Amino acid sequence: EVQLVESGGGLVQPGGSLRLSCAASGFSFTTFDMTWVRQAPGKGLEWVSAISGSSGSTYYADSVKGRFAISKDNSKNTLYLQMNSLRSEDTAVYYCVKGDWADFWGQGTLVTVSS
Amino acid sequence: DIQMTQSPSSLSASLGDRVTITCRASQGIGNGLGWFQQRPGKAPKRLIYAASSLEGGVPSRFSGSGSGTEFTLTISSLQPEDFATYYCLQHNRHPHTFGQGTEVEI
Repeated sequence: EVQLVESGGGLVQPGGSLRLSCAASGFSFTTFDMTWVRQAPGKGLEWVSAISGSSGSTYYADSVKGRFAISKDNSKNTLYLQMNSLRSEDTAVYYCVKGDWADFWGQGTLVTVSS
Repeated sequence: DIQMTQSPSSLSASLGDRVTITCRASQGIGNGLGWFQQRPGKAPKRLIYAASSLEGGVPSRFSGSGSGTEFTLTISSLQPEDFATYYCLQHNRHPHTFGQGTEVEI
C-alpha cells in the first residue's frame, strides 16, 4: 500500500526558513519522480516543484524559484522541500505527491508564514 | 509556461444530471493531462490520467476526452458523493500547471 506522510509544517516568520519532509513507502521510491503541490487557504491547487527519479533533475514554479529547493534521499525513502525567504503568500497546505503525473497524494502539512 | 483555463468555475446540478467540465491549454500538450477530485478537507484524488484513462477503482460514470489544447471531464450521472471541486493538471511540460478548479454543487 502506497503511503506518503508529510511533516515539518508549522508557523514561521516572514523571511524565515522551513524544511518539509515526506516519508514514502509501498513503492519503489528510487525510480519515481516526486512532486510538491500546495494549496493556500480557500484557494486552488498550485504545482510547486518536482524532482526526477532517474536523473535527479529539478523543476520549480516561478513563484518559488530561487527560494525553494527540492531533494530526495533514496536511502531513507524521503522527499524534502527546503523553503527559504518565506513570504505570507507561501502560507498553504503542502502536499507530497507521487509521480510526475500525480497519481497518489499525501494528506498534507500546513505552513503558516506570519509575524 | 503553459496556462490552463478551466471552466466553469462553479456549477449547480441535480442528482442524475450529466456534467461537463472543460480545460483549455495555452499550447498543445498532447494527452498530458489529468483530472483530480478534491472533497472538502481532503487531499486530491486522481480520476483520469493521460486525458482519457480511468484510474483504477474510479466509477465508470467519470470519463475524460480530448487532446492537444482542449480537454473535457464528464460525469454521466451525478451522484451525492460527487459534490467536490475538480481540477485539471497539465504534465506535458515543466512547470506543470493546474486549472483554476470547478466547484460542483448538488
